[in-house]
Amino acid sequence: QTVVTQEPSFSVSPGGTVTLTCGLSYGSVSTTHYPSWYQQTPGQAPRTLIYSTNTRSSGVPDRFSGSILGNKAALTITGAQADDESDYYCVVYMGSGTWVFGGGTKLTVL
Amino acid sequence: EVQLVESGGGLVQPGGSLRLSCAASGFTFSSYSMSWVRQAPGKGLECVSYISGSSNTIYYADSVKGRFTISRDNDKNSLYLQMNSLRVEDTAVYYCAKAASRAFDYWGQGALVTVSS
Repeated sequence: QTVVTQEPSFSVSPGGTVTLTCGLSYGSVSTTHYPSWYQQTPGQAPRTLIYSTNTRSSGVPDRFSGSILGNKAALTITGAQADDESDYYCVVYMGSGTWVFGGGTKLTVL
Repeated sequence: EVQLVESGGGLVQPGGSLRLSCAASGFTFSSYSMSWVRQAPGKGLECVSYISGSSNTIYYADSVKGRFTISRDNDKNSLYLQMNSLRVEDTAVYYCAKAASRAFDYWGQGALVTVSS
């Protein structure tokens, strides 16, 4: 059973930079997992931020960026704003139409 | 503009059945794979089922295998999820999601399914 790991919570100061990570219970996350990132605020549907490791979805500001750091996928928010306070989910693609979601990171901006 | 609109959610007793629908517009529906992703109250997201554009490839999470059936009608630009033998733990918001580049690029607003006696 593949488990995708994310920090349960993180905080960042307004204007600051934060990097959220996404790992696997075994092995490394690589570009072949096509990691993607989603933002969700309470009561709303998820919003796609990043796909294929580092490609921003249409309309996503460039202060959101994706990468591979070591053996994990990473989402970096540069110049955090109050409305970035959300839950962030990482997803890795395991092939044949199967995806595994991480448990999500609750980001607080304060 | 891509739009995905779910319908069919509601309250059902344990052991009952429900059929979710997702009406798609704004893209060539038959060219894209689709998925159902659910979120239990206060919990994270789970991909429960996937179907390729031609319906040749179908996937179910272990948690729903044998109870849920995904299907699509490309002539009607619609995606479906037939849910049988529902359990309390199936209570969730069910999202219809369009798949592209091995990710989900568009999401519906969600349909709430509540399984309770």
